[in-house]
Amino acid sequence: NAGVTQTPKFRVLKTGQSMTLLCAQDMNHEYMYWYRQDPGMGLRLIHYSVGEGTTAKGEVPDGYNVSRLKKQNFLLGLESAAPSQTSVYFCASRRGGNQPQHFGDGTRLSIL
Amino acid sequence: GIQVEQSPPDLILQEGANSTLRCNFSDSVNNLQWFHQNPWGQLINLFYIPSGTKQNGRLSATTVATERYSLLYISSSQTTDSGVYFCAGETSGSRLTFGEGTQLTVNP
Repeated sequence: NAGVTQTPKFRVLKTGQSMTLLCAQDMNHEYMYWYRQDPGMGLRLIHYSVGEGTTAKGEVPDGYNVSRLKKQNFLLGLESAAPSQTSVYFCASRRGGNQPQHFGDGTRLSIL
Repeated sequence: GIQVEQSPPDLILQEGANSTLRCNFSDSVNNLQWFHQNPWGQLINLFYIPSGTKQNGRLSATTVATERYSLLYISSSQTTDSGVYFCAGETSGSRLTFGEGTQLTVNP
């Protein structure tokens, strides 16, 4: 049982490039989340999904887009990367509203 | 959204000591989780504890929902307990709000 898997683990981009981060969960969870963590801070919610085909904005959604075409996958896209998006990105999932969230190991993204 | 305040921000212990970490919330929460972020950056689930008390080995947690706080107890600390401890709470709308964490260093 892999749990929550994030791909890639590390990536370096140039300003203006685009990329997609993939989150996959094998626990049949309904809810999925994308967070970012900046140095010395807690995690902040970017976008989330409460089911296949749904997405919603979190606390810091600007500059990101997401898609949940399949229940097990949640994609985070950066259309035009900026240095301010250098961060560690975490994906999480959970079964339902009153259940704990389970986190992936993170993706370290640097934008030069 | 809610505000989550953790204290202390930093804590240095000698191996074998006990400690208490605190998390205060600005509003009532219906979900609450404690996490340990290890030196490799992984977030480890410690407790899901919207109310009451739970124990897991040397760690235990208590949430007093009516008074909007939660405590994490670490007994007989070990060097492997080092890292950042986060609490996170949720009121509604499926959003966890994280505190800024407590940086714990356990020296041998």
